[in-house]
Amino acid sequence: NAGVMQNPRHLVRRRGQEARLRCSPMKGHSHVYWYRQLPEEGLKFMVYLQKENIIDESGMPKERFSAEFPKEGPSILRIQQVVRGDSAAYFCASSSMTGAETQYFGPGTRLLVL
Amino acid sequence: GDSVTQMEGPVTLSEEAFLTINCTYTATGYPSLFWYVQYPGEGLQLLLKATKADDKGSNKGFEATYRKETTSFHLEKGSVQVSDSAVYFCALVAGGTSYGKLTFGQGTILTVHP
Repeated sequence: NAGVMQNPRHLVRRRGQEARLRCSPMKGHSHVYWYRQLPEEGLKFMVYLQKENIIDESGMPKERFSAEFPKEGPSILRIQQVVRGDSAAYFCASSSMTGAETQYFGPGTRLLVL
Repeated sequence: GDSVTQMEGPVTLSEEAFLTINCTYTATGYPSLFWYVQYPGEGLQLLLKATKADDKGSNKGFEATYRKETTSFHLEKGSVQVSDSAVYFCALVAGGTSYGKLTFGQGTILTVHP
């Protein structure tokens, strides 16, 4: 049973470009969370999605960031017009149910903005 | 709001030494508490959890007890190994929430020398 997949593992972008991060949850999981880990910091919640619905995006910056989890295919975290401060590791986690059930984390995408 | 505070690292120990990593929290209600471990270049893995007061979570020789009176969830291991070298994160899910949004501490780097 494959775990949570994220790609790319590493992404380099120049300022002003777009970054698109993908997350495929574990088989049978319909709940996806995105977290961001800035250098030397812990993980911070960004957004929680169920299939075709954004449930909580309270941790997502108001501008340039968006997320989706379509009926078919992976969840996508999109960052438009990246800036150097967006450089971080972005982790996706999935779970099979809502509530405090165990979340399974992917290996992360490390974004570097030049 | 909810928050988690971990002892500052890095922590450096010799093999077979006793490990304690302190974690305290601030939350309304009765949160669920977690310890996650992150090995270099990888995503987070759940190490152990406790969902109510006085519960003890344990796994791979690690254990932590949910202490409501001191709002703490300290991680302990009696005899560490070199392979335990990693970053350890304490986290909570607030009580009464309908989904598993995790709030993390800043992480503690553990290095174990032979």
